[in-house]
Amino acid sequence: QTVVTQEPSLTVSPGGTVTLTCASSTGAVTSGYYPNWFQQKPGQAPRALIYSTSNKHSWTPARFSGSLLGGKAALTLSGVQPEDEAEYYCLLYYGGAVVFGGGTKLTVL
Amino acid sequence: EVQLVESGGGLVKPGGSLRLSCAASGFTFSSYSMNWVRQAPGKGLEWVSSISSSSSYIYYADSVKGRFTISRDNAKNSLYLQMNSLRAEDTAVYYCAREVDWNYGYWGQGTLVTVSS
Repeated sequence: QTVVTQEPSLTVSPGGTVTLTCASSTGAVTSGYYPNWFQQKPGQAPRALIYSTSNKHSWTPARFSGSLLGGKAALTLSGVQPEDEAEYYCLLYYGGAVVFGGGTKLTVL
Repeated sequence: EVQLVESGGGLVKPGGSLRLSCAASGFTFSSYSMNWVRQAPGKGLEWVSSISSSSSYIYYADSVKGRFTISRDNAKNSLYLQMNSLRAEDTAVYYCAREVDWNYGYWGQGTLVTVSS
């Protein structure tokens, strides 16, 4: 069974920079896993932020960026805002099947 | 404007069945793959199933294989999930999501399924 691992929680100060990562139990994450990133706030549906590693949606704030870092997919928030406090999920594609990471709870404090 | 609206959720007894629907609008439904994703109360997201634009390719998570069936009607711009032999662990909010070229950009607001006696 494939497991996708994210940091359970991270804390960042307003205006700071934080990187969330997404690892695969099968080995290094490459662009062929087409990493997606989503933000979810309590009581709301997930909102897509990033697709295919680093592509932004038209609504994605410029402070969000995606990349590959050290064999993992990464989501970096630069100049964090209080409204960025949320749960963040990554998604990896495994040739038909899709697996979500367990989520990272980001606290802005 | 892309819209995805799920319906059909509710309370069902263990072993029972339920059929979820997802009504799509604002885009050419027949050109996109579609997915079902669920989220148990207080838990993370779990992919359930996907179906290609012409229904040629269908995939399921191991947790639902043999019990759930995904289908679509492109003439009605609708996606479906037939859920049989429901278990308590299937209790979740079920979302439909549009996908193209591994871009899972648009999601519905979800419908709650509760499996309880």
